[in-house]
Amino acid sequence: NAGVTQTPKFRVLKTGQSMTLLCAQDMNHEYMYWYRQDPGMGLRLIHYSVGEGTTAKGEVPDGYNVSRLKKQNFLLGLESAAPSQTSVYFCASSLLPPGQGHGETQYFGPGTRLLVL
Amino acid sequence: RKEVEQDPGPFNVPEGATVAFNCTYSNSASQSFFWYRQDCRKEPKLLMSVYSSGNEDGRFTAQLNRASQYISLLIRDSKLSDSATYLCVVNTRPSSYKLIFGSGTRLLVRP
Repeated sequence: NAGVTQTPKFRVLKTGQSMTLLCAQDMNHEYMYWYRQDPGMGLRLIHYSVGEGTTAKGEVPDGYNVSRLKKQNFLLGLESAAPSQTSVYFCASSLLPPGQGHGETQYFGPGTRLLVL
Repeated sequence: RKEVEQDPGPFNVPEGATVAFNCTYSNSASQSFFWYRQDCRKEPKLLMSVYSSGNEDGRFTAQLNRASQYISLLIRDSKLSDSATYLCVVNTRPSSYKLIFGSGTRLLVRP
C-alpha cells in the first residue's frame, strides 16, 4: 500500500515548455486534489476532482489543466510553463470531501519540485 | 486580510517545554478545522482534527473558539521530533471542497 505517489520528484523546465505531473493513489479514494506551495504562503488549491471523469477549478487554476481518466490517477498539465509556476506541487486524495467526517482526511504525496527558468 | 492567519515563528523551545500556537480564521461560517504537520521538504500530514468540544491526542491538545474565531494547538513535554511546521487548515464553507491552509508556524525544539 503505497498511498499517494507523484512523479517526477524534481524537474527543470525552460519557459514555454510543457510537462505533465502524475499523481497515483491506491486507497480507492474518490476525491483528488492538486496544490502548489510557495514560500511564505499556505498550500493553494489548483484543481480538484470528485470522481473519475470529473475535474473542477480551485483557487489558482490559470495555466494548468487536469484530467482524471482513471479513478486512481490525477494528472496535472502545464501547457506553456512560466517562471511564476516555479513551486512545489502536492497531490492529495481523500475518501470523503471536507466536512464529511472521518473520511475527510487528505493524504498527500511526497511532492514535485518544479523550477521554470 | 488572509482567510487563515498564523504566527510564522519560529518558536524555539527546550525539550520538555509546553508550547501553544494560535490560528485565526476570518469566515465565521467555517465548518471543519485541522492541524497538519509538515517536516522540512516533506508532505503535510494530518496531526489532528479540531472538534467543537476540543480534543486531545497524547501530548497534543486542540481547541476551537468559534466566538473569537481561532483554533489552538498545545504541545506538552516537547520532544526533539516535534520540530516541524504546523499548518492550520480550515474548510470555509459548507459543501466546499476547498481547504484553506495557513502558511504555518515553525517549531524548533532544542536539546
